Amino acid sequence: LAKTTQPISMDSYEGQEVNITCSHNNIATNDYITWYQQFPSQGPRFIIQGYKTKVTNEVASLFIPADRKSSTLSLPRVSLSDTAVYYCLGREVYSGGGADGLTFGKGTHLIIQP
Amino acid sequence: NAGVTQTPKFQVLKTGQSMTLQCAQDMNHNSMYWYRQDPGMGLRLIYYSASEGTTDKGEVPNGYNVSRLNKREFSLRLESAAPSQTSVYFCASSEIAGVGVKGTQYFGPGTRLLVL
Repeated sequence: LAKTTQPISMDSYEGQEVNITCSHNNIATNDYITWYQQFPSQGPRFIIQGYKTKVTNEVASLFIPADRKSSTLSLPRVSLSDTAVYYCLGREVYSGGGADGLTFGKGTHLIIQP
Repeated sequence: NAGVTQTPKFQVLKTGQSMTLQCAQDMNHNSMYWYRQDPGMGLRLIYYSASEGTTDKGEVPNGYNVSRLNKREFSLRLESAAPSQTSVYFCASSEIAGVGVKGTQYFGPGTRLLVL
């Protein structure tokens, strides 16, 4: 079960690429890294998930190096609407189903300025 | 397709009162969850139900009870509300209680609870 550490807050500007790094030094073999986004007064929304190397979807990219002790969420060309809290989770796979590791922590508050 | 719905949206209780928060999902998901979120804090898992007929404690279960009424509905009950239970409560569901695409959680809009 991975304990994750991420910055409390970050600032950037519209049009910039933003990278949020999450540390998970004790990540286990079965842990996946998952990122969620939360806007004020809303529930979190899934962004991206990965196990190793690089994963890309229409919203973001996720880079996980070979040692898997950290991961980086990359948001290309951010806009004001990307201002939100971003959570990094380490989730462990249980073949029989389970919810261990569902700890969202405080996340990273990303503020995008004009 | 409404996704995950929660009722009520807002509630004010007096200390010692009881209430039930309702959650329903229309995605035919097997797993459902209840979280609480306090100001400036992340989400903490209260209870979850990996499948219909099962419930398990999460990180902060004290003071709460849950019922998995059927596959669609998962309710959270506060038997005797305390000011420390003032929070925003989120319900979520996923196809399975695990990782991968099927483990992706979908959240409801939340219930804002104030206990005086």
